[in-house]
Amino acid sequence: EPEVTQTPSHQVTQMGQEVILRCVPISNHLYFYWYRQILGQKVEFLVSFYNNEISEKSEIFDDQFSVERPDGSNFTLKIRSTKLEDSAMYFCASARTDYNEQFFGPGTRLTVL
Amino acid sequence: SQQGEEDPQALSIQEGENATMNCSYKTSINNLQWYRQNSGRGLVHLILIRSNEREKHSGRLRVTLDTSKKSSSLLITASRAADTASYFCATDTNNDMRFGAGTRLTVKP
Repeated sequence: EPEVTQTPSHQVTQMGQEVILRCVPISNHLYFYWYRQILGQKVEFLVSFYNNEISEKSEIFDDQFSVERPDGSNFTLKIRSTKLEDSAMYFCASARTDYNEQFFGPGTRLTVL
Repeated sequence: SQQGEEDPQALSIQEGENATMNCSYKTSINNLQWYRQNSGRGLVHLILIRSNEREKHSGRLRVTLDTSKKSSSLLITASRAADTASYFCATDTNNDMRFGAGTRLTVKP
């Protein structure tokens, strides 16, 4: 069964460094999403992406964040200058259409020191 | 802003009992989804219910949606220890998903 994959599973970085989190959505899906979950807290929507542009973004998704679909398979989330409070699990999801269920990846745990 | 709110925050039951979790939301939605998350793992989709549907079943899961009250419930029947997890409702409004804080369900063997 096709699945969303994410790499790396765990990323440790120093405050102020840039990180790129990678996701490979399900191949025939057209809608892509990033979410984050700070330890012990709820899952929060960051951004949705369709047709090579951002569809929606939350107030969390400020100028330090960017997303890109550099080729036909990868979907990346870049955090330009990480802060301690960026430490969280980051989940990627994809969907075939905008009203279908979203399939989530296993997440990347980002630890900012 | 936060959309879905689950109730209760935590629920502890014995194996074999039914578990009911509720979700309330504030604005109009296209659909509402329930997810499960085992500790430290990714989210697993359980059920999607559209705004024009009132009830859906999937195995031991039953979801209801009352758009007039802006609420949904997830019922797990004949619970098992393996159902122990956090359960989240998520509201979908114009391609913008909002999750609640979740209900932590513990099923004791």
